[in-house]
Amino acid sequence: GAGVSQTPSNKVTEKGKYVELRCDPISGHTALYWYRQSLGQGPEFLIYFQGTGAADDSGLPNDRFFAVRPEGSVSTLKIQRTERGDSAVYLCASSPVAGSPHVGEQFFGPGTRLTVL
Amino acid sequence: GENVEQHPSTLSVQEGDSAVIKCTYSDSASNYFPWYKQELGKRPQLIIDIRSNVGEKKDQRIAVTLNKTAKHFSLHITETQPEDSAVYFCAAGKRALTFGSGTRLQVQP
Repeated sequence: GAGVSQTPSNKVTEKGKYVELRCDPISGHTALYWYRQSLGQGPEFLIYFQGTGAADDSGLPNDRFFAVRPEGSVSTLKIQRTERGDSAVYLCASSPVAGSPHVGEQFFGPGTRLTVL
Repeated sequence: GENVEQHPSTLSVQEGDSAVIKCTYSDSASNYFPWYKQELGKRPQLIIDIRSNVGEKKDQRIAVTLNKTAKHFSLHITETQPEDSAVYFCAAGKRALTFGSGTRLQVQP
C-alpha cells in the first residue's frame, strides 16, 4: 500500500514569511508525528497526534510553530514568521492503531526540505 | 526529558566483518527502542526494534540487544555488505522518540 507522503518536497521561502507543510499518513494509522532533521543530526521530535488531538506538543520550539489534524488523517504543520534557523528537513511519521502487532512502529515520509533565505 | 547518546559517530569496516553501534538512554520510562537506517537524501527506514520486555531480537544479519538496568542498547550487523553503508540512528521513547546523533557506517569492499 501507499506509504506516508509529504508535500511539497522542497520549499524555499524568505525570512518572515508563512509556510504550510502537509503530511498524508498511511491509511488507517491513528498516530501521526512531526520531526525535523538538521544536516548531520538525528530527527528531533516536534509534535504527536493521536486521532485529531495533539497528544504531545512539547517539542514545538516556540509559538511560531503550530500543527493541526482536523479529521484525524492529513496533518498540516504551520510556521509563522519563518527564520533562517527554521531551515531543515521536516519529517512526518505515522504509526498503526493500538492492538496492531506493529503498534508503536513509526514509518517516515520523504520529508519536506525547508530553506529560509 | 529523554537523552540518547550514540557511539561511534563513524565506523569503517571491511566487507564481511561485523559492526556494532551502541546507545545509552536516560529515561527509565522509555519502553520502545527502534533503529533506523538513512541513506543520503532519503527518509529514515526502520530496520529493527526492541521493546523493554525483551532482551534481544534478531532478524537475519541484524540483531539488537537491550540492557534495561544499564539503560543501553546495541545494534549488531554481521557479514556486512557494501549496501549496508549508510547512517544509522538509534532512538528511545514511549510514543515520541528521541534520536541519537547517528553513526555513519562505511563498508569497504
